[in-house]
Amino acid sequence: QKEVEQDPGPLSVPEGAIVSLNCTYSNSAFQYFMWYRQYSRKGPELLMYTYSSGNKEDGRFTAQVDKSSKYISLFIRDSQPSDSATYLCAMSTQAGTALIFGKGTTLSVSS
Amino acid sequence: GAVVSQHPSRVICKSGTSVKIECRSLDFQATTMFWYRQFPKKSLMLMATSNEGSKATYEQGVEKDKFLINHASLTLSTLTVTSAHPEDSSFYICSARDQGTSSGANVLTFGAGSRLTVL
Repeated sequence: QKEVEQDPGPLSVPEGAIVSLNCTYSNSAFQYFMWYRQYSRKGPELLMYTYSSGNKEDGRFTAQVDKSSKYISLFIRDSQPSDSATYLCAMSTQAGTALIFGKGTTLSVSS
Repeated sequence: GAVVSQHPSRVICKSGTSVKIECRSLDFQATTMFWYRQFPKKSLMLMATSNEGSKATYEQGVEKDKFLINHASLTLSTLTVTSAHPEDSSFYICSARDQGTSSGANVLTFGAGSRLTVL
């Protein structure tokens, strides 16, 4: 079993839809959880950062972490065509260490 | 915010030649930088951790002699792919953590990536 599992999709939704992306993991020591967005042929850019369990909201984006279930989610409200990208979950056990990434989910939002 | 610059963004080379990729933290110092490799439709795979002033730490399965990493200053790390072969063709991405962030933060800033094609 890989450390971080993420459905690669692709996921296609109409503009305005609510998108739910998620990852599961096996290492209970993970404490830092992030979501990155990657456009084609570009480096990943940070979307959301969460430490330990709980929810975090930033504009149209909400990140949730459930450590008891080893499950994290990213919700995108009122999705836009510009949200079309690959979304990667990432996590680590300690601050300052390298991140372990999921495979990424490719999202396509049609207008 | 923290910015990481990576150069070149794209390089094509002949088999057997060496290619150097630079990673610079533009507005912060980074004692540690990370090099990742990404295959099409695959996740980012950590290759090595680059430490300023000391040897890099390589992940299992990554050839140290093929992927030479040098971290000579707090703002620059380089990855040299030696004697490149077509199977080395990939997207290489570096990242760094801004030491000025609050304790406990583990946000990595990524460069734009370098696409290497070996003919």
